[in-house]
Amino acid sequence: SYVLTQPPSVSEAPGQTAKITCVGDGIGGKVVHWYRQRPGQAPVLVIYDDKDRPSGIPERFSGSNSGNTATLTISRVEAGDEADYYCQIWDGSSDLTVFGGGTKLTVL
Amino acid sequence: EVQLVESGGGRVQPGGSLRLSCAASGFIFSSHWMYWVRQGPGKGLMWVARINSDGATTTYADSVKGRFTISRDDGKNTLHLHMSDLRADDTAVYFCARPRCASKSCGLQYWGQGTLATVSS
Repeated sequence: SYVLTQPPSVSEAPGQTAKITCVGDGIGGKVVHWYRQRPGQAPVLVIYDDKDRPSGIPERFSGSNSGNTATLTISRVEAGDEADYYCQIWDGSSDLTVFGGGTKLTVL
Repeated sequence: EVQLVESGGGRVQPGGSLRLSCAASGFIFSSHWMYWVRQGPGKGLMWVARINSDGATTTYADSVKGRFTISRDDGKNTLHLHMSDLRADDTAVYFCARPRCASKSCGLQYWGQGTLATVSS
């Protein structure tokens, strides 16, 4: 089955740029979504269709997807961005929905 | 306002059954695919099952296939997940979710707060 691999953790200082990767075989040919999950809360969609932002998500959040890597970029990181982030795709070959293992973003 | 409210969680012994429900409001329920996603204690998100808008097509993660059944009652705007032959590793918070658009490739924009199912003797 299709596997999405994320780094377990990423740390960044306030005001800097955090990049969270999601690696999968030929992921550039698939549509990637990203979620933020704060402790004890439900996930929130922050990027859909590789790079689009739902209403209410700051412009500081952006996404890209090419080759074997999709990337969530958070510019000017703030303390409130500290959370777990998950990538997700629908794999057309298997018809399964797949989540990455998640990345804990720590704001130093 | 879209709202999804899960219920039905609780403690059950290994091998037992549990039925989860998700009450939907604020949108035309019968027009949308619906999903169940779970999260074990201290673990990441795992997709469990999805059902299309007319209930004719259901798909399951390999780890629950044959044990779990997703269904919908459009008259009551309610999504269900019937779980049987439960194992300890099915212990998780179960979320229902609705995609932002009418396709399997769409992101999940609306989520409930989850209901906890604990499988333990």
